[in-house]
Amino acid sequence: AQSVSQHNHHVILSEAASLELGCNYSYGGTVNLFWYVQYPGQHLQLLLKYFSGDPLVKGIKGFEAEFIKSKFSFNLRKPSVQWSDTAEYFCAVHGSSNTGKLIFGQGTTLQVKP
Amino acid sequence: DTAVSQTPKYLVTQMGNDKSIKCEQNLGHDTMYWYKQDSKKFLKIMFSYNNKELIINETVPNRFSPKSPDKAHLNLHINSLELGDSAVYFCAAGAFLNTGELFFGEGSRLTVL
Repeated sequence: AQSVSQHNHHVILSEAASLELGCNYSYGGTVNLFWYVQYPGQHLQLLLKYFSGDPLVKGIKGFEAEFIKSKFSFNLRKPSVQWSDTAEYFCAVHGSSNTGKLIFGQGTTLQVKP
Repeated sequence: DTAVSQTPKYLVTQMGNDKSIKCEQNLGHDTMYWYKQDSKKFLKIMFSYNNKELIINETVPNRFSPKSPDKAHLNLHINSLELGDSAVYFCAAGAFLNTGELFFGEGSRLTVL
């Protein structure tokens, strides 16, 4: 069965620190990969996505992610976090044979201290 | 102009009651979804409708009944509410057999007392 695993459940950083959130997925076929962000009390918003091509994708607010097919990973990075990045981050996978089903990881809570 | 809108945003009710959450999208997508986010923030798909036809039903108790009167609306009706139904329910819209990209509503927080 398709699954997504996020290694870090709760991350606490100081402003200007670098961020990397891990995401691994389990699926044998072609995948599309996503990171969504949920700011406190708000709905999920798309941060970035990978469909094909350059495995290093850039998203909004200075975030980027790298797809490493051999490792089934899609880690999220940001060189310098801000207090406003405090949020819940979700990695998600859509498999090519999955009739529109988007599978989410369990989420990572990022807390940035000013 | 909200792309995916849900009502109500907050719902507090007693066990055993029946309640509905409504969802409307103006994106023109042909597929709509209901996701449940539990207290640990885990997001799980419940249902998906494509052009008013149920295409995903993820082992959800039959107390939950989605209804799609047209492809712009997907409502969720819950009978005989239980404490464990307390969660945030998110509606989403996307294109069927799409890339997987979804557009989410703001969520409906259901609290069952």
